[in-house]
Amino acid sequence: DTAVSQTPKYLVTQMGNDKSIKCEQNLGHDTMYWYKQDSKKFLKIMFSYNNKELIINETVPNRFSPKSPDKAHLNLHINSLELGDSAVYFCASSQDSGAYYEQYFGPGTRLTVT
Amino acid sequence: GEDVEQSLFLSVREGDSSVINCTYTDSSSTYLYWYKQEPGAGLQLLTYIFSNMDMKQDQRLTVLLNKKDKHLSLRIADTQTGDSAIYFCAERSTGRRALTFGSGTRLQVQP
Repeated sequence: DTAVSQTPKYLVTQMGNDKSIKCEQNLGHDTMYWYKQDSKKFLKIMFSYNNKELIINETVPNRFSPKSPDKAHLNLHINSLELGDSAVYFCASSQDSGAYYEQYFGPGTRLTVT
Repeated sequence: GEDVEQSLFLSVREGDSSVINCTYTDSSSTYLYWYKQEPGAGLQLLTYIFSNMDMKQDQRLTVLLNKKDKHLSLRIADTQTGDSAIYFCAERSTGRRALTFGSGTRLQVQP
């Protein structure tokens, strides 16, 4: 069973379009995250939700809107895509009552904006 | 703000030991982690160390933490070609859930 899954794995789209990336975790964790990895492999936190409540929003443009319908899902919707949005987006989850707050990562979604 | 730095590249021969270094700036870091990323894959947690520890050993992996110098290292003994990947150092500060990652060190293991 996949612990953290993301769809799609690859997404190629044109500038100006709106797209969504979905994430699901079956670990029973209470916190989920979106990270962005740029072309130089630098990873940066974008958002975090705890029990469906937004707790971290790291200076991300308003074009990005996370939505958490329930504890197991955290989706990322991006409006008016720009070239600079091309990156790999990773979803992660953790259980914050755990001993060392291990974050489990999904396989990533490679977004290419042309 | 928090900052985590790593060297970008390390090349070793199969069977040698690899040492990957990391420095961080946040003195309130509570947990420090090493993640491995293979090509086209997500991040896999290798090991972690709590800030009140100096060393942790887990099979071929040894983590050393110098809290005074804010320096973390990962030693991989008997490095294998399957260890070729990007290794990320990450830290988690008190009261903050998200991780701050370093830029990653690409480890290349030559046969």
